Amino acid sequence: EAGVTQSPTHLIKTRGQQATLRCSPISGHTSVYWYQQALGLGLQFLLWYDEGEERNRGNFPPRFSGRQFPNYSSELNVNALELEDSALYLCASTRTGRGFYEQYFGPGTRLTVT
Amino acid sequence: GQQVMQIPQYQHVQEGEDFTTYCNSSTTLSNIQWYKQRPGGHPVFLIQLVKSGEVKKQKRLTFQFGEAKKNSSLHITATQTTDVGTYFCVMKTSYDKVIFGPGTSLSVIP
Repeated sequence: EAGVTQSPTHLIKTRGQQATLRCSPISGHTSVYWYQQALGLGLQFLLWYDEGEERNRGNFPPRFSGRQFPNYSSELNVNALELEDSALYLCASTRTGRGFYEQYFGPGTRLTVT
Repeated sequence: GQQVMQIPQYQHVQEGEDFTTYCNSSTTLSNIQWYKQRPGGHPVFLIQLVKSGEVKKQKRLTFQFGEAKKNSSLHITATQTTDVGTYFCVMKTSYDKVIFGPGTSLSVIP
């Protein structure tokens, strides 16, 4: 069984640009979570998608957005990039959005904003 | 809003010593999860605790959920270099937001 995959592995952008990060969950999983992990810090909850709908979002500005496709893969978009957006972006999938289940994490996308 | 604390923030131990990290929530939890993140890696699920006072063991790791379901602990007996990493407690709020504790970073000196 393939694990959670994320692309790209690394992404370098200039301040003010837009970044798009992608996540493919484990086959059969319907729920995708996005997290931001700044260097040396913990994980901050960004967004949660389940069954194609955005279910909740963390305390991030609206320029952080995303969507979930019919095949349950997901995309995170960050507009008007700022230097402090530089971080590791992790996505995780769970088999369902009901309840609280084990999250399987992808390897992450390292975003660098210069 | 709901807050979670983990102590200590860092712990350096000699190989073979025991290690404990504590997680405290400002509100009562329905359940709690623990994850481990190796340096340069991604978080990996360790366990989920659901019942008040629950104790679960995985080899040298012992997990406990407090009676009031507001705190939890992870204890590692006789640490090994493979235990190096950051240990996070994780919870889901009643508003369906996921909160990761700040983590305890464990270093093991061989």
